[in-house]
Amino acid sequence: DIVLTQSPGTLSLSPGQRATLSCRASQSVSSRSLAWYQQKLGQAPRLLIYGASIRATGIPDRFSGSGSETDFTLTISRLEPEDFAVYYCQQYGSSRGTFGGGTKVEIK
Amino acid sequence: EGQLVQSGAEVKKPGESLRIACEGSGYSVTNYWIAWVRQMPGKGLEWMGIIYPDDSDTRYSPSFQGQVTILVDKSISTVYLQWSSLKASDTAMYYCARLSSWYVGGYYSYAMDLWGQGTTVTVSS
Repeated sequence: DIVLTQSPGTLSLSPGQRATLSCRASQSVSSRSLAWYQQKLGQAPRLLIYGASIRATGIPDRFSGSGSETDFTLTISRLEPEDFAVYYCQQYGSSRGTFGGGTKVEIK
Repeated sequence: EGQLVQSGAEVKKPGESLRIACEGSGYSVTNYWIAWVRQMPGKGLEWMGIIYPDDSDTRYSPSFQGQVTILVDKSISTVYLQWSSLKASDTAMYYCARLSSWYVGGYYSYAMDLWGQGTTVTVSS
């Protein structure tokens, strides 16, 4: 299976700052099958980005995704208080998916 | 838009069997794959497997093959996750999620755009 490694494990930032989250795959991943999710404490995950760079319905444009093959990035341009959460990348291929270990974005 | 509603929290003893449910509504349930995702306490998300309700085609992650069974009753738009003999290590939150596809730029993209609220399973003697 493809292994996704997210870094850093924790990102300590202040509201208004820019957050850059990394997701690295153990082998090449089709960009169309790379997604990002946000999970707040006690809640189910929420889809943010699919196809590596396409925002899901209702997702603010401060969230953006980029990358290809083995290196993908989620950027939050200016952190809002509600953005402090855990973020997961995920890939889907051959009817199977895997998640990265997550990056926690915490208030500094 | 749709929604997925999961069955309530369960407390079981090791060795007992269990089936938890995920009922879809507000969309054509038979035409979308449904995945199960595990989240152990304080840990990340793990892909368990996926089922296509229309024909019950099921695929498992190697880590969960033989450990759980994913079933569907399409007459009531409900997907199930089943254990025949629970272990303490099965203690976790379990989510079901709909796998959607979008045709963009000449190809399909896939992601889970609709999630259930989660079912907590606690296994303890």
